[in-house]
Amino acid sequence: QKEVEQNSGPLSVPEGAIASLNCTYSDRGSQSFFWYRQYSGKSPELIMFIYSNGDKEDGRFTAQLNKASQYVSLLIRDSQPSDSATYLCAVNNAGNMLTFGGGTRLMVKP
Amino acid sequence: KAGVTQTPRYLIKTRGQQVTLSCSPISGHRSVSWYQQTPGQGLQFLFEYFSETQRNKGNFPGRFSGRQFSNSRSEMNVSTLELGDSALYLCASSPGRPEDSPLHFGNGTRLTVT
Repeated sequence: QKEVEQNSGPLSVPEGAIASLNCTYSDRGSQSFFWYRQYSGKSPELIMFIYSNGDKEDGRFTAQLNKASQYVSLLIRDSQPSDSATYLCAVNNAGNMLTFGGGTRLMVKP
Repeated sequence: KAGVTQTPRYLIKTRGQQVTLSCSPISGHRSVSWYQQTPGQGLQFLFEYFSETQRNKGNFPGRFSGRQFSNSRSEMNVSTLELGDSALYLCASSPGRPEDSPLHFGNGTRLTVT
């Protein structure tokens, strides 16, 4: 059973701080990694994707991948109250079959 | 480009009935995937269709089926509905390989089984 694990939270950070979200996965052969944001009652929205070891930055978001440790993380700099949502980590196993973690609920307090 | 379109947005069905959900992918996308999201199990993969062929299948009973048409539009069907089938059903499309373009989800169909 291929698994993706996330801390369910809630992770509470003050406005302007860095939020750090973490995810581990069990399938060492996984190649593609994704972060989705989901607001309550809405569908998941793609935030970042990363395929290679290291860091990938896009605006206030940085995805970090360490395949040796089977670990992927998402950093959100200058967190805003509008970033409050559930963040889903997903790992691609085959084709477009993604395995999702349970999500981490982030709360950014003004 | 228009996004992934799912219809209907909401459905209420009775246990034992069947239901058909529809998904229109982003223009030019040939892969359509279906996912089920529930509070208890989270987001789970149902199946993926690519060029009218089922390419991958998740661990769901045979009551869950799908198909894809030549214009890439897809439908999923759930027969003999159970209370536990109440969920948000999400469709996502892609040109083909995830490394070409990550999945983008539609707004989903919320199914309630009573």
